[in-house]
Amino acid sequence: DTGVSQDPRHKITKRGQNVTFRCDPISEHNRLYWYRQTLGQGPEFLTYFQNEAQLEKSRLLSDRFSAERPKGSFSTLEIQRTEQGDSAMYLCASREVFGNTIYFGEGSWLTVV
Amino acid sequence: GQQLNQSPQSMFIQEGEDVSMNCTSSSIFNTWLWYKQDPGEGPVLLIALYKAGELTSNGRLTAQFGITRKDSFLNISASIPSDVGIYFCAGQPNSGGSNYKLTFGKGTLLTVNP
Repeated sequence: DTGVSQDPRHKITKRGQNVTFRCDPISEHNRLYWYRQTLGQGPEFLTYFQNEAQLEKSRLLSDRFSAERPKGSFSTLEIQRTEQGDSAMYLCASREVFGNTIYFGEGSWLTVV
Repeated sequence: GQQLNQSPQSMFIQEGEDVSMNCTSSSIFNTWLWYKQDPGEGPVLLIALYKAGELTSNGRLTAQFGITRKDSFLNISASIPSDVGIYFCAGQPNSGGSNYKLTFGKGTLLTVNP
């Protein structure tokens, strides 16, 4: 499978714990995105990387959220001191250098209890 | 965050019927994308539109990029049970350095009765 890969697919955590999600984009896609989706809503943009550079962060991304893409390949999204409102699906997507089409992974479901 | 106006919110149809859904925006987009999402999965790209007025088909699916660049339509012909899911429109803004972000509609939930 050469699509966008996300891990873990599901995570249940207690409020206050830290969680980290990993995304492996499609090979040679230099653009990588994180989105968040809650029930009944479309995905909402969180942050964007071009290679290893994080070029934009949404206001949705509070100080408890941090994303990295250290070598311009895989990316991690960490949420510190999780809150119940963080419960959502976290989607990763990637896009090739000269393309306009964004391809999504299967998502990582987070439930904060 | 900003979202597109997607309608209808939900549809319940009989197998074999045709389906139409649309998205409108107050902003101009230079790309329109249509995705389908199954429960617990990520969105899967169905059709991508890059030019105003463009009409593109993918099997039983046909989508159009509105002339005003502020709307798009998706039609599904002869629906089958596996068409069940949530359909999302998404637009990429025109310019201004934000052309790498997608803005999504809230989705159309399609139910097909066999």
